[in-house]
Amino acid sequence: SAVISQKPSRDICQRGTSLTIQCQVDSQVTMMFWYRQQPGQSLTLIATANQGSEATYESGFVIDKFPISRPNLTFSTLTVSNMSPEDSSIYLCSVEVGDSFATNEKLFFGSGTQLSVL
Amino acid sequence: GESVGLHLPTLSVQEGDNSIINCAYSNSASDYFIWYKQESGKGPQFIIDIRSNMDKRQGQRVTVLLNKTVKHLSLQIAATQPGDSAVYFCAERHGDYKLSFGAGTTVTVRA
Repeated sequence: SAVISQKPSRDICQRGTSLTIQCQVDSQVTMMFWYRQQPGQSLTLIATANQGSEATYESGFVIDKFPISRPNLTFSTLTVSNMSPEDSSIYLCSVEVGDSFATNEKLFFGSGTQLSVL
Repeated sequence: GESVGLHLPTLSVQEGDNSIINCAYSNSASDYFIWYKQESGKGPQFIIDIRSNMDKRQGQRVTVLLNKTVKHLSLQIAATQPGDSAVYFCAERHGDYKLSFGAGTTVTVRA
């Protein structure tokens, strides 16, 4: 397994501002992901954070709105830019951890960042 | 597009009874399935997984059943406890590393 520390755990922000969420993992991992969970909804993948290169975004998500950094194998940030009330969600960092045979990868999640935009 | 969904959004179960949470998936190419539990204010927690070459897998108090013929996945929780109250998500993966999550079932355990 992996221990994932995510901060802040929650924040209340004003419209038009930006918030950067940090994700720290206790071990080196290849795959790191950012998910969004809107109120009462399931999880939607925003992007894959690639170490040393630009993140890979899913349909409906763009770099200008959700810039992502991945400076090393244990850390990533997600910024929610120019926020509006529609951005109010839980944002979750996740990592994929496999066994020595890379045949049983599991996805582990941080505790999430509860974002409210006024 | 392909999607993973759950049959029921809520499930109320008496403490001590067994719980069954269902999930239907539409992509016959999916080869890996996971069940997650999410308690209020927390991130999803891995419960159990199963690969498409298996029909059943057991963990501690939990069993996952996979019926590929009807593309159905279920999670059985034995002797449900108050701590089992949470939202349960099924997720599928096909080909690459990306997981698609179902809508979630809220399980409430009655004392």
